[in-house]
Amino acid sequence: QKEVEQDPGPLSVPEGAIVSLNCTYSNSAFQYFMWYRQYSRKGPELLMYTYSSGNKEDGRFTAQVDKSSKYISLFIRDSQPSDSATYLCAILNRDDKIIFGKGTRLHILP
Amino acid sequence: DTGVSQNPRHKITKRGQNVTFRCDPISEHNRLYWYRQTLGQGPEFLTYFQNEAQLEKSRLLSDRFSAERPKGSFSTLEIQRTEQGDSAMYLCASSPSSRTDTQYFGPGTRLTVL
Repeated sequence: QKEVEQDPGPLSVPEGAIVSLNCTYSNSAFQYFMWYRQYSRKGPELLMYTYSSGNKEDGRFTAQVDKSSKYISLFIRDSQPSDSATYLCAILNRDDKIIFGKGTRLHILP
Repeated sequence: DTGVSQNPRHKITKRGQNVTFRCDPISEHNRLYWYRQTLGQGPEFLTYFQNEAQLEKSRLLSDRFSAERPKGSFSTLEIQRTEQGDSAMYLCASSPSSRTDTQYFGPGTRLTVL
């Protein structure tokens, strides 16, 4: 089983909609969870960082961790065409390595 | 620009040739990482440095790959005798040693092996 699983999409939603992106992870010992955004032909950019469980909000973005189900989510409110990108979930594993999901390609339709 | 920079941004080479990429991390970051990303996949860890010491190498890093960080500042990644399977985006990231969970990525070097 891979350490992080993520549906690659693509996911297309109309502008202004709420976007929900999700990942599952395998090891309940993981404590650090990240979301990166990657525009085409660019490097990943750290978007949100969460330690342990609960919610973290930053503007239109909310990251959520449910440790009981080993599920991490990113919600984007009032989505904009500029949010169109690939979103990568990631965890910090026991060896202090960042393990990325495959990424979900998101298209916001004007 | 005080972010992570990588050169070249694109490299096209013929199979069997050697290539070298450079990464300049954020100046106060003493950890530097190399990743490889292929189409439709997330970045995969290759190796990392703490200052000038190379502390870990992934099994993905065959003996044709070598990385250096001679003065604990910039790093180079060399691929010898390139193969078509080496075609990928090579990403560099850096972090302070106290915050390995927050890595800052460069724009990557896209390698195409013909």
